[in-house]
Amino acid sequence: SQQGEEDPQALSIQEGENATMNCSYKTSINNLQWYRQNSGRGLVHLILIRSNEREKHSGRLRVTLDTSKKSSSLLITASRAADTASYFCATDKNTDKLIFGTGTRLQVFP
Amino acid sequence: DAGITQSPRHKVTETGTPVTLRCHQTENHRYMYWYRQDPGHGLRLIHYSYGVKDTDKGEVSDGYSVSRSKTEDFLLTLESATSSQTSVYFCAITPGLPSYEQYFGPGTRLTVT
Repeated sequence: SQQGEEDPQALSIQEGENATMNCSYKTSINNLQWYRQNSGRGLVHLILIRSNEREKHSGRLRVTLDTSKKSSSLLITASRAADTASYFCATDKNTDKLIFGTGTRLQVFP
Repeated sequence: DAGITQSPRHKVTETGTPVTLRCHQTENHRYMYWYRQDPGHGLRLIHYSYGVKDTDKGEVSDGYSVSRSKTEDFLLTLESATSSQTSVYFCAITPGLPSYEQYFGPGTRLTVT
């Protein structure tokens, strides 16, 4: 099945550093989304990028999309301890459902 | 949590018993989803609904059924719970077209012993 695969599976950094995580997928998409999940909580939508967009910003988040390589990256700049969470990409296979990847666990040390 | 509640939040049940999880939304959104989350698998879609009495299967629907008799409620039933259904279950809604951003409930942690 079409699924986003995040890389790396886990990432540990110090506060103030940048965090980059990547997502690869298998088939063409309409859009790609990134979500954050804090421990024990539901997922929270961060950003959506459409297939005709190459880059999108939201605060300290920067998302890129390369449809030729079927990949996306999420950059969190100047990370904070509060950014500690799992991050998931999600792609749409059709127009009625999303397929989520397995996530990247980010740990930001103060 | 975008007006989404799930009940119960935690449940322990025995193998072979039926279990029903409830998702309730206050926004009258058309699309609702049930996912399960397991280590190493991310979120996997169980069933979804695109309106009252309109439901469809997701990736891992075996052993689960759903019902939606009112816009605000989406029920997930494990007809005969098995240990492999021990998981965290999330409900989600989408306010726009189905592939737009989804908003998630707080989750239900289900343990089948």
